[in-house]
Amino acid sequence: QLQLQESGPGLVKPSETLSLTCTVSGGSISSSDYYWGWIRQPPGKGLEWIGSIYYSGSTYYNPSLKSRVTISVDTSKNQVSLNLSSVTAADTAIYYCARDRKVPRIVFDIWGQGTMVTVSS
Amino acid sequence: QTVVTQEPSLTVSPGGTVTLTCASSTGAVTSGYYPNWFQQKPGQAPRTLIYSTSNKHSWTPARFSGSLLGGKAALTLSGVQPEDEAEYYCLLYYGGAWVFGGGTKLTVL
Repeated sequence: QLQLQESGPGLVKPSETLSLTCTVSGGSISSSDYYWGWIRQPPGKGLEWIGSIYYSGSTYYNPSLKSRVTISVDTSKNQVSLNLSSVTAADTAIYYCARDRKVPRIVFDIWGQGTMVTVSS
Repeated sequence: QTVVTQEPSLTVSPGGTVTLTCASSTGAVTSGYYPNWFQQKPGQAPRTLIYSTSNKHSWTPARFSGSLLGGKAALTLSGVQPEDEAEYYCLLYYGGAWVFGGGTKLTVL
């Protein structure tokens, strides 16, 4: 059974870079059938798609975050990583990774449990 | 900036029927936007219910259905159960970007 697990620092200082990892178990991240996405949710607020990546490294990002976001994949470790630079308090959120199936177009059918990141000095 | 709009809140009686909608600031929602619907309960990750407008997952209860209605994507719950009380989010595709709606808080009362 496929499982996703986010990990990373729970506290990041303003202006620094937030770095998270999503480890996929029970399946290969190198499958040509899937993208892998990052979504976040500020406390008490709605969901925001951050970006997605294909195993080949092809990415697509939320235009509003594109200048600060880098998503990468490490197929040897079965991991997807998220870097968000120049963070502010507005980046405080639960960060989720999720699977995104290409065909049929089934988006975010499996999610990690999420990891809370607080931006504060 | 593209905005996806949902009703902020709706209330329904147990056993009743309710329709949640999802509108796009760019115009009518079509199947090309691949409308998706997610359910989220407090303290949990979202769970997908509907993909590509009207397709259900194996775990989606039969009382949930998706459609296009009056230029919007719609999620209809028929025979609402108390456990359906949750936040519901739609998700639309804009040619390389996904945009979530603001969510609808559904109260079963």
